[in-house]
Amino acid sequence: NAGVTQTPKFQVLKTGQSMTLQCAQDMNHNSMYWYRQDPGMGLRLIYYSASEGTTDKGEVPNGYNVSRLNKREFSLRLESAAPSQTSVYFCASSDSPVKPLHFGNGTRLTVT
Amino acid sequence: AQSVTQPDIHITVSEGASLELRCNYSYGATPYLFWYVQSPGQGLQLLLKYFSGDTLVQGIKGFEAEFKRSQSSFNLRKPSVHWSDAAEYFCAVDNTGGGNKLTFGTGTQLKVEL
Repeated sequence: NAGVTQTPKFQVLKTGQSMTLQCAQDMNHNSMYWYRQDPGMGLRLIYYSASEGTTDKGEVPNGYNVSRLNKREFSLRLESAAPSQTSVYFCASSDSPVKPLHFGNGTRLTVT
Repeated sequence: AQSVTQPDIHITVSEGASLELRCNYSYGATPYLFWYVQSPGQGLQLLLKYFSGDTLVQGIKGFEAEFKRSQSSFNLRKPSVHWSDAAEYFCAVDNTGGGNKLTFGTGTQLKVEL
């Protein structure tokens, strides 16, 4: 039972490059989320998808786009990476809004 | 704006000692409250949650937390800490009525001395 799988685990980008972080869950969850974790800041919500076909902005959406490709997959795209986007990115999913979040193991992104 | 405060950045306890991690939130109403734990290189795992009802909630791994409305607090406790409890602990709140759009505290890093 894989749970929430994120790829890649590590990535280094140069300023201005683009990339997509992939997330897939095999628990048939409806809701999916992208968070970023920065030292001393806790986790902050970037975007979320309450159900297949819907996406909404979270607390820190600037510089990111998302796609809910199907019920299993929710990707996060950086169109033009900036050093301020250096962070650890976590994808999470939930069966329903009142059920707990299940987190992936994170993608550590460095932008130079 | 909603906020969650974890005043202790680092805490060190001896194995077998009791533990209390503090969490305070600022909202008008009672939000949904959570404690998550993160081991190095891993994602977060839910320890326990409070939605309503009994203000003392039990979680996994022997943890419990008590919701105190008058103090806007949701402190995490464990009577006897094990070396494997060393990790980072995050308090989180959801004041969106269960939308799971959580606001996290900045975390408390727990070190356990043998």
